[in-house]
Amino acid sequence: DTEVTQTPKHLVMGMTNKKSLKCEQHMGHRAMYWYKQKAKKPPELMFVYSYEKLSINESVPSRFSPECPNSSLLNLHLHALQPEDSALYLCASSQVGSGVETQYFGPGTRLLVL
Amino acid sequence: AQSVTQPDIHITVSEGASLELRCNYSYGATPYLFWYVQSPGQGLQLLLKYFSGDTLVQGIKGFEAEFKRSQSSFNLRKPSVHWSDAAEYFCAVGAYNTDKLIFGTGTRLQVFP
Repeated sequence: DTEVTQTPKHLVMGMTNKKSLKCEQHMGHRAMYWYKQKAKKPPELMFVYSYEKLSINESVPSRFSPECPNSSLLNLHLHALQPEDSALYLCASSQVGSGVETQYFGPGTRLLVL
Repeated sequence: AQSVTQPDIHITVSEGASLELRCNYSYGATPYLFWYVQSPGQGLQLLLKYFSGDTLVQGIKGFEAEFKRSQSSFNLRKPSVHWSDAAEYFCAVGAYNTDKLIFGTGTRLQVFP
């Protein structure tokens, strides 16, 4: 099973709201990733967790706060977002955090910030 | 620094025609190369990958890709395109010394009946 699940599928939030995106995998992978993807663009890496520790933060604004409660779960907490943060948020996982490992992607959460 | 170039932003083919999507990479050592496909509003699905060995790699959905070190290329091919192949295709390169995948800008494939 190479499935990564993400909830919710769609999310609409105001600029003062707090919401969370959730990602789950049961492949025993020890690296998990958050990407942001704008329309007609490639995914942009935001965060990498390796063995439940944050290993990469690509200078993402603090209004995005990742959390990795255990090796199967990855959350992205959202607070005081801006309309330009509207995008498809993709989660991915790989066996270990290495650029040579295959990353398996979830279906994404489509976020609209009003 | 690693980089990936997909020269074709948009390609249109007729159903049943052959397809080649171009990918050029820049990397000092042996690259690890991937092709992903993304249908509208969906996540990315791995089509195939090259790590080492045979330079012609077979993937899912009838796709194949050929690694050519001399040309720094990893082009994706399919002999006969189906309407369901219409999607965005991303080439990516990875390396041992980083947790990151470097993606190309993508090629949008449109298929006409």
